[in-house]
Amino acid sequence: AQSVAQPEDQVNVAEGNPLTVKCTYSVSGNPYLFWYVQYPNRGLQFLLKYITGDNLVKGSYGFEAEFNKSQTSFHLKKPSALVSDSALYFCAVRDRNRDDKIIFGKGTRLHILP
Amino acid sequence: GAGVSQSPRYKVAKRGQDVALRCDPISGHVSLFWYQQALGQGPEFLTYFQNEAQLDKSGLPSDRFFAERPEGSVSTLKIQRTQQEDSAVYLCASSLGLTDTQYFGPGTRLTVL
Repeated sequence: AQSVAQPEDQVNVAEGNPLTVKCTYSVSGNPYLFWYVQYPNRGLQFLLKYITGDNLVKGSYGFEAEFNKSQTSFHLKKPSALVSDSALYFCAVRDRNRDDKIIFGKGTRLHILP
Repeated sequence: GAGVSQSPRYKVAKRGQDVALRCDPISGHVSLFWYQQALGQGPEFLTYFQNEAQLDKSGLPSDRFFAERPEGSVSTLKIQRTQQEDSAVYLCASSLGLTDTQYFGPGTRLTVL
């Protein structure tokens, strides 16, 4: 069965510092991987996705994520955090060999401290 | 351009009432998905449509939940005889095709008293 783990409920980072939000996944086949961000009282906004090719994926707002097949990870990163990056971040996976359901992690709340 | 819209944004229902939640997908998007997001959790899949066809409803938690998309555009999620455990945010998403990026609406927050 597909699953996604976000081991940190909350991550605190000082403004200007690099940030990492962790994600590991489990699928039986090859994965499609996604990151979404959710601001208060708003729906999920797409940040980036990995389909195939380069393991480093660049997305919106300066975020990037690195697909690591051996570690089954897809950590979200940004070189320099902004206070406005404070939000709830969700990692998600779809098994490209199975069906079309996207499985989401529980989410990680990111606090950027001014 | 217009994104996915959902109405109402907030709904309070007494236990036992029926509710209907509406989703307007992005124009031209063939696929439409419904998710349930409980407090402090990630979205959980409920069902999806390809045009007007409901291809998977395995995530619907009980037969009190029913979804339709009769003309392949607007979709309605109906919950009959609501229970307190139905309280959640219901998210709708649409995509061009089945495996394309899904774009989400703002959600409907349902509170069952």
